[in-house]
Amino acid sequence: KAGVTQTPRYLIKTRGQQVTLSCSPISGHRSVSWYQQTPGQGLQFLFEYFSETQRNKGNFPGRFSGRQFSNSRSEMNVSTLELGDSALYLCASSLGPTGASYEQYFGPGTRLTVT
Amino acid sequence: AQSVTQLDSHVSVSEGTPVLLRCNYSSSYSPSLFWYVQHPNKGLQLLLKYTSAATLVKGINGFEAEFKKSETSFHLTKPSAHMSDAAEYFCVVQIKAAGNKLTFGGGTRVLVKP
Repeated sequence: KAGVTQTPRYLIKTRGQQVTLSCSPISGHRSVSWYQQTPGQGLQFLFEYFSETQRNKGNFPGRFSGRQFSNSRSEMNVSTLELGDSALYLCASSLGPTGASYEQYFGPGTRLTVT
Repeated sequence: AQSVTQLDSHVSVSEGTPVLLRCNYSSSYSPSLFWYVQHPNKGLQLLLKYTSAATLVKGINGFEAEFKKSETSFHLTKPSAHMSDAAEYFCVVQIKAAGNKLTFGGGTRVLVKP
């Protein structure tokens, strides 16, 4: 069974631009979570989607948004990029929502660099 | 609010010697606890999890962790390190009362010397 895939793997953007990252979960998984990983702040939870509905949201500004499609694929969008948004963005999928004892499987991440 | 502290940012061991990665958590509620490993340019892989069953948890690749409520600790150990264990390790806490969001520790980078 294919793992979690994230596209693109690497991305370079300029301050002020917007970016969309994509995550395809493992087949049959209905929950997708997004995390930001930076050297300074470590790993931080962004949001979780289950059955096209946002279930949880971390402490990030409204510039960060996401959505989930009927096939469980998810996208996250960051508008008006700032230098501090440079990070590895990780996506994780699970059969069900977090907290229901479903293991999360992580993708390899998208490395975003903002210049 | 819950928090996780990994007491060592870097650990260096020789191949074949034991590995100890320390993790302390803070929570007003009974937590679920996890250890994840991240190899370079890879996503995170679950090593093991504690969810209020046995306090000694065995995971993959010979790792195990012991939940000690009195010490609010969940240290990860392996009796004999292998070169392939060189990676970054994350201790994670999850609280049902806090919406089940995962809170990650700062990570411990493990170096294995031949």
